[in-house]
Amino acid sequence: GESVGLHLPTLSVQEGDNSIINCAYSNSASDYFIWYKQESGKGPQFIIDIRSNMDKRQGQRVTVLLNKTVKHLSLQIAATQPGDSAVYFCAERSGGSYIPTFGRGTSLIVHP
Amino acid sequence: GAVVSQHPSRVICKSGTSVKIECRSLDFQATTMFWYRQFPKQSLMLMATSNEGSKATYEQGVEKDKFLINHASLTLSTLTVTSAHPEDSSFYICSAGIRTGGIDGYTFGSGTRLTVV
Repeated sequence: GESVGLHLPTLSVQEGDNSIINCAYSNSASDYFIWYKQESGKGPQFIIDIRSNMDKRQGQRVTVLLNKTVKHLSLQIAATQPGDSAVYFCAERSGGSYIPTFGRGTSLIVHP
Repeated sequence: GAVVSQHPSRVICKSGTSVKIECRSLDFQATTMFWYRQFPKQSLMLMATSNEGSKATYEQGVEKDKFLINHASLTLSTLTVTSAHPEDSSFYICSAGIRTGGIDGYTFGSGTRLTVV
């Protein structure tokens, strides 16, 4: 069935480096994408979102890139800090549904 | 921003008892609430979707008589795990849909760690 998946279950980076977390989706009807950060024992926290009429969106230290041609989504974190250590989930939603579908998640580990 | 308050954050109960988890939207009206279950190192698994004033829609494989969802008001949704057993131990999270026309975003509660002994 249609699904959202992540390529890398664990990503280890050094403090100060840039991090890139990837997400592939298969539903060509997906038109809204969200990245969440989940710290241990807590609920997911919204980071940034993007609609399908855009290919890039920037926030504070984060950038989301959307490539609809290859159905790929990425989250770039600039100057990664130890506080960025968490599990990151992408979620997608198609226009015909209001229910988001979550990817598997990537654990980001930032070494000081 | 929109905040969902979820309680309790942790609960330990004896096998066979029932546990109620509450999610309250503090500064907005949560017309739609999603309930998720999450196992360690895994993604969020949607259990059910509830709309205020109507019965919840459960995902395939989720027992509606075991996981009772009530969404009687625009600011409160509850999940009751009835006759809990150790296999029900998990992390339960609620999420409210943020509406401005359609649903434009989702805000999550802080989660409830349920341990059934």
